[in-house]
Amino acid sequence: EPEVTQTPSHQVTQMGQEVILRCVPISNHLYFYWYRQILGQKVEFLVSFYNNEISEKSEIFDDQFSVERPDGSNFTLKIRSTKLEDSAMYFCASSLAGVTSYTDTQYFGPGTRLTVL
Amino acid sequence: DAKTTQPNSMESNEEEPVHLPCNHSTISGTDYIHWYRQLPSQGPEYVIHGLTSNVNNRMASLAIAEDRKSSTLILHRATLRDAAVYYCILRRNNNAGNMLTFGGGTRLMVKP
Repeated sequence: EPEVTQTPSHQVTQMGQEVILRCVPISNHLYFYWYRQILGQKVEFLVSFYNNEISEKSEIFDDQFSVERPDGSNFTLKIRSTKLEDSAMYFCASSLAGVTSYTDTQYFGPGTRLTVL
Repeated sequence: DAKTTQPNSMESNEEEPVHLPCNHSTISGTDYIHWYRQLPSQGPEYVIHGLTSNVNNRMASLAIAEDRKSSTLILHRATLRDAAVYYCILRRNNNAGNMLTFGGGTRLMVKP
């Protein structure tokens, strides 16, 4: 069964450093998402991406964050200058269709644990 | 998306049925009811969704009240692997957005 993959599984970085989290969505999916979950808290939406542009973003997704689909398979989340509060599990997800379709099920990857020291 | 209310936690015995309730009294006519779950140390996983009629799939059943103000996710025979946080999420079918809004969910504990 196709699945979303994410690398690395765990990233440790120093405050102020840039990090890039990588995701390979399911191959025929058209919509891509990033969510994060701070330890012990709810899963929070960050951004959705469709047709090579951001379709929605939350208040968390400020200028320090960016997303890119550099080729036909990867989807990346970049944090320009990490802060301590960026420490969280970051989940990538993809869906075949958007919310207006009955097939808008989102499939999540296993996550990347980001630790900012 | 309209708000949902779920119990914080529930317990079940292995191999017994589990009924996980969700209240959504402000649901609108175009809201689909989605259930996802999150196993320990994993990403969320789709379980089932429906609009008005009850739905069955290989993982679970979804029973939707006639007035749609509540729904129940039914696991017919709980296994230890079903221990997870279960999220009930309403998604409006009006192109307003594709994001999933997760609440606190119900933490299901399954006892052997």
